[in-house]
Amino acid sequence: KAGVTQTPRYLIKTRGQQVTLSCSPISGHRSVSWYQQTPGQGLQFLFEYFSETQRNKGNFPGRFSGRQFSNSRSEMNVSTLELGDSALYLCASSLFVGGEDEQYFGPGTRLTVT
Amino acid sequence: KNQVEQSPQSLIILEGKNCTLQCNYTVSPFSNLRWYKQDTGRGPVSLTIMTFSENTKSNGRYTATLDADTKQSSLHITASQLSDSASYICVVTDLTGANNLFFGTGTRLTVIP
Repeated sequence: KAGVTQTPRYLIKTRGQQVTLSCSPISGHRSVSWYQQTPGQGLQFLFEYFSETQRNKGNFPGRFSGRQFSNSRSEMNVSTLELGDSALYLCASSLFVGGEDEQYFGPGTRLTVT
Repeated sequence: KNQVEQSPQSLIILEGKNCTLQCNYTVSPFSNLRWYKQDTGRGPVSLTIMTFSENTKSNGRYTATLDADTKQSSLHITASQLSDSASYICVVTDLTGANNLFFGTGTRLTVIP
């Protein structure tokens, strides 16, 4: 069974640009969560999607948005990039919504903003 | 305020030795606690998940304990190997209905030969 895949793996953008990251969950999983990981802050929850609906949202500005498609694939968009957005962006999939279920993480997308 | 604190921040041990990582939390009401291992440049991988009623769970050389009364958990690694070098992250889920996850900042373990 294929694991969670994220594309691209690495990305370099300049301030003010926007970026779209993609996540394909494990087949059959309907929940996709997104996290930002930085050395100083650790893992921080961005949002969770289940059956194309955002079910939970972390404490991030509106520049961070996401969506989920009918095949459970998810995209995350960051507009007007800032230097502080440089981080590893991880997505995780699970069968059901919420924290009760086992989450499987992808390898992440390393975003560098210059 | 719901928080998860891990200690130590970093640890260096000799190959073959045992070590214990700590996780203290204030998350309430509590649903479950997980330990993840994250190799450099990769996503976290689940090691154990424990609910309120469980106080120990093993996964090979990894043994997690949970004391829900004192809100403390530990991850014990036995006979460490070089491949155990990674960050270990403690994650606590609450029972508010939103199933919020609270992450510790992790312990960076380095195993040296």
